[in-house]
Amino acid sequence: AQKVTQAQTEISVVEKEDVTLDCVYETRDTTYYLFWYKQPPSGELVFLIRRNSFDEQNEISGRYSWNFQKSTSSFNFTITASQVVDSAVYFCALSEISNFGNEKLTFGTGTRLTIIP
Amino acid sequence: DSGVTQTPKHLITATGQRVTLRCSPRSGDLSVYWYQQSLDQGLQFLIQYYNGEERAKGNILERFSAQQFPDLHSELNLSSLELGDSALYFCASSVDARSVGTQYFGPGTRLLVL
Repeated sequence: AQKVTQAQTEISVVEKEDVTLDCVYETRDTTYYLFWYKQPPSGELVFLIRRNSFDEQNEISGRYSWNFQKSTSSFNFTITASQVVDSAVYFCALSEISNFGNEKLTFGTGTRLTIIP
Repeated sequence: DSGVTQTPKHLITATGQRVTLRCSPRSGDLSVYWYQQSLDQGLQFLIQYYNGEERAKGNILERFSAQQFPDLHSELNLSSLELGDSALYFCASSVDARSVGTQYFGPGTRLLVL
């Protein structure tokens, strides 16, 4: 069975500091997808990134960057120069491939990030 | 705005009652997923439909049922409601069930059972 672990329940940093959110996953499949979603206080789930298991290249999007390491089954998310608007709960998720394609996302328990002004 | 719409935004009802949550997927998306977010269970997959057919089932209670209509909108029916059913219910959609597309989530329906 697939599993996603986000060991950091809550993190608080002062504005402009860098912060890394950890995500460790378990799967028996060789082909899978990893995702990060953001849930701001308003409650919606906002898609941030999707990465497939064959692409270990790190990705950078503005102040956000992601580090995917298959050897350690980790997909960590770093926010550089954090801002108050980054305050949210961040979820890491895993999707396995089936004959029908994308069936379901298995989510971690989330990390609540608070940026202190 | 993800393009996925859910109604109603909030729902307050009593134990034993039945409610229907509605979801309209993004234009062009054929697959619809339902998730439940509760304090004790976290975010859990309930069920997936693709072009009107059930594709996958998760931890969905027998008191819950869903369907996807020819116009691709979906409804999640919750019956014999219990206090523990209070949660945020999300609908998500993706392009199709054969490629691993990104699931885009609606704003959710917050259900409170009193």
